[in-house]
Amino acid sequence: AQSVTQLGSHVSVSEGALVLLRCNYSSSVPPYLFWYVQYPNQGLQLLLKYTSAATLVKGINGFEAEFKKSETSFHLTKPSAHMSDAAEYFCAVSHISASKIIFGSGTRLSIRP
Amino acid sequence: GAGVSQSPSNKVTEKGKDVELRCDPISGHTALYWYRQSLGQGLEFLIYFQGNSAPDKSGLPSDRFSAERTGGSVSTLTIQRTQQEDSAVYLCASSLANSGGYYEQYFGPGTRLTVT
Repeated sequence: AQSVTQLGSHVSVSEGALVLLRCNYSSSVPPYLFWYVQYPNQGLQLLLKYTSAATLVKGINGFEAEFKKSETSFHLTKPSAHMSDAAEYFCAVSHISASKIIFGSGTRLSIRP
Repeated sequence: GAGVSQSPSNKVTEKGKDVELRCDPISGHTALYWYRQSLGQGLEFLIYFQGNSAPDKSGLPSDRFSAERTGGSVSTLTIQRTQQEDSAVYLCASSLANSGGYYEQYFGPGTRLTVT
């Protein structure tokens, strides 16, 4: 079985500060890992995904995440937060033979001026 | 090109009524997914279609929920005898094919269902 845990339902950072959203996964098979972003009243948009290639994955809007097998983690980072980054972020896990993606409960990111 | 569209965007219904939610996937996408997003929670998988077939219905919460897909395109999620706990945002997504999420899932804006 697969699962994903997002630490912190709400994270608040100052504009220009480092963004760090934490995600830990559980999987008995090599995982695919994803970060999605959801802006208010919109559907989800893929930020980035890991599918067993490079462990440091770069996504859209300056975000990146690093797959660390030893720590079963896939944390999302951005060096400098922008007001437009305020949204809900979801970490998710799957694998090559799976028919569905398992989503975490989400982390709401707020940006302070 | 056009993205995934869903209708209606909002639906308010009385407890006990039936509702139908519609999803129009991106043209050419063979895989289609339905998820439910309850307040403060993540996305709950409901059902997945490959073409018109539903190989995985494991997430449907009860037999009041059903879904179909016709012509390998439009899908309808039907909830019979709605209950207040059915209130949520129902999201649809489509992808080129299904392979553990290897192909990106493109999400629609969702239908917000409120059962009074």
